[in-house]
Amino acid sequence: DQQVKQNSPSLSVQEGRISILNCDYTNSMFDYFLWYKKYPAEGPTFLISISSIKDKNEDGRFTVFLNKSAKHLSLHIVPSQPGDSAVYFCAASVGGDYQLIWGAGTKLIIKP
Amino acid sequence: EAQVTQNPRYLITVTGKKLTVTCSQNMNHEYMSWYRQDPGLGLRQIYYSMNVEVTDKGDVPEGYKVSRKEKRNFPLILESPSPNQTSLYFCASRLTGEVGELFFGEGSRLTVL
Repeated sequence: DQQVKQNSPSLSVQEGRISILNCDYTNSMFDYFLWYKKYPAEGPTFLISISSIKDKNEDGRFTVFLNKSAKHLSLHIVPSQPGDSAVYFCAASVGGDYQLIWGAGTKLIIKP
Repeated sequence: EAQVTQNPRYLITVTGKKLTVTCSQNMNHEYMSWYRQDPGLGLRQIYYSMNVEVTDKGDVPEGYKVSRKEKRNFPLILESPSPNQTSLYFCASRLTGEVGELFFGEGSRLTVL
């Protein structure tokens, strides 16, 4: 039973437009969420995180929104750039627990 | 340069032939972990270590061993590899007390025939 789900295996977006990547979770105990980005032949790299005490966190072109009642988070990238083409993983954890639970990833393709 | 280094990056082996994937980090991180990535399943934790001589099982530890004799190194050992261990493996590290923000190696693609 996957506790963190990314239901879209892939997403194609025009350059300059907004990319929205979604993630759903089932464990209401999760209180910290992260997004990682992965290029081919490289390891994942940390992108942005959000604590459950917030509903939004911004870092430049990247914004993560958390809807605790819906157990849903989303990553918005505005504007999308060619270098954003990558696989994006969302992950969640219970505070103080060192185990991250990962989604299956969404491959984002930015079209020129 | 701060990094996590894994070796080998690519390996093809046969069932039953013991192998070790090495992992080394130069950031003085206490916490280290091994993951495997399989299509449609994301990253699943194999083993993790909170510090030297302290290791614990993750979600999918069967068929794997680890050791943590030094802070910087965390090798993954497959005593008798089987085809279902064909996967992409990642080592990661971070400071303790900081949830998330793992630093990953570049990955080791293992094929067991």
